[in-house]
Amino acid sequence: AQSVTQPDIHITVSEGASLELRCNYSYGATPYLFWYVQSPGQGLQLLLKYFSGDTLVQGIKGFEAEFKRSQSSFNLRKPSVHWSDAAEYFCAVGAGGTSYGKLTFGQGTILTVHP
Amino acid sequence: DAGVIQSPRHEVTEMGQEVTLRCKPISGHNSLFWYRQTMMRGLELLIYFNNNVPIDDSGMPEDRFSAKMPNASFSTLKIQPSEPRDSAVYFCASSYDSNQPQHFGDGTRLSIL
Repeated sequence: AQSVTQPDIHITVSEGASLELRCNYSYGATPYLFWYVQSPGQGLQLLLKYFSGDTLVQGIKGFEAEFKRSQSSFNLRKPSVHWSDAAEYFCAVGAGGTSYGKLTFGQGTILTVHP
Repeated sequence: DAGVIQSPRHEVTEMGQEVTLRCKPISGHNSLFWYRQTMMRGLELLIYFNNNVPIDDSGMPEDRFSAKMPNASFSTLKIQPSEPRDSAVYFCASSYDSNQPQHFGDGTRLSIL
């Protein structure tokens, strides 16, 4: 069965600083990988996804993530954080195929942005 | 385009009452997912449907929970009888197929007193 680990429960950065949120997954084959963001009182919004091909994927709001098979990682990055990026971020892994898109989510990383 | 629509947004009820949560997936999506989110357990998949058929309900916590999808545009999650430990935010999500991302509704915040 697949699993996802987000090692950092809470990260605080200053506005304008760079950001990297860590995600490690466990899955036997090539996974489908996602990053979602959740603002308070809202549902989850897709930031980006990796299915195959280029291991560096670009998403919305200036985010990017890099798939590293050797490290079983899919870390999320942003070069310059804005105060509006404060939210909770979830990494997820999917198996595709007959799983009908079933996802396993990490526990989430809460991002606080200081002015 | 309308996203996934959930109702109600908030529900407060007393223990023992029946609770019904509703979801309208994005038109054309053929997979639908119900999740529960709590501080302690994070985001848990309860059940999912493909083409209106339940595929995996292994995440449903107890027989008090049931879910239906009578047609492609509507699903319900029912709790009967409800208990305080069912208090959580319940999300519905849909996707076009297994290779496409899930789109989430804004959730139903459920409080059982």
